[in-house]
Amino acid sequence: KQEVTQIPAALSVPEGENLVLNCSFTDSAIYNLQWFRQDPGKGLTSLLLIQSSQREQTSGRLNASLDKSSGRSTLYIAASQPGDSATYLCAVRKSNTKAAGNKLTFGGGTRVLVKP
Amino acid sequence: NAGVTQTPKFQVLKTGQSMTLQCAQDMNHEYMSWYRQDPGMGLRLIHYSVGAGITDQGEVPNGYNVSRSTTEDFPLRLLSAAPSQTSVYFCASSSGGVQYFGPGTRLTVL
Repeated sequence: KQEVTQIPAALSVPEGENLVLNCSFTDSAIYNLQWFRQDPGKGLTSLLLIQSSQREQTSGRLNASLDKSSGRSTLYIAASQPGDSATYLCAVRKSNTKAAGNKLTFGGGTRVLVKP
Repeated sequence: NAGVTQTPKFQVLKTGQSMTLQCAQDMNHEYMSWYRQDPGMGLRLIHYSVGAGITDQGEVPNGYNVSRSTTEDFPLRLLSAAPSQTSVYFCASSSGGVQYFGPGTRLTVL
């Protein structure tokens, strides 16, 4: 059974510092990995999706890397801002078959606080 | 384009009551899913659908029913609410890639 872990559970950094968020998974046979942001009391917003054949994806100040063989992904947020304060979750999708649906296995999330 | 919508936003039930959580998407997505989010447990998959008329169980399906009569709608029914079903429920949809989530329904069962 796939298990996804995010350590640490919480992180506090001063504004301007780069953020490094970790995600590890036990079964390397994944189809893709997705990073989400969740603000308190809100739904999840997709940040980046990395296919299993890719090594990284970038969007603005965000960069996500994937090392499938070691079961790890890292989300980098450059020059953090107070508006980046939120919980960040990673999720893996095992299969690309239609019958399997788009089922995701989630990590527990890392709660980030960026202090002004 | 409203994306994924969920109603109600908040609900309080008494043990034994039944109710339906509504979910709709306007992106013509094949895949729809229901998750529940609990402190310390993360998000767990309840039921999912790969198209109209097709549903299947996820990780924690007991106590919940779903149906998918149209591409747009994927309601979640609680048959006889229990305190253990107190949670935040999220509906999601995708066409196979990025998954889009609704704003959630916060359910309390007394």
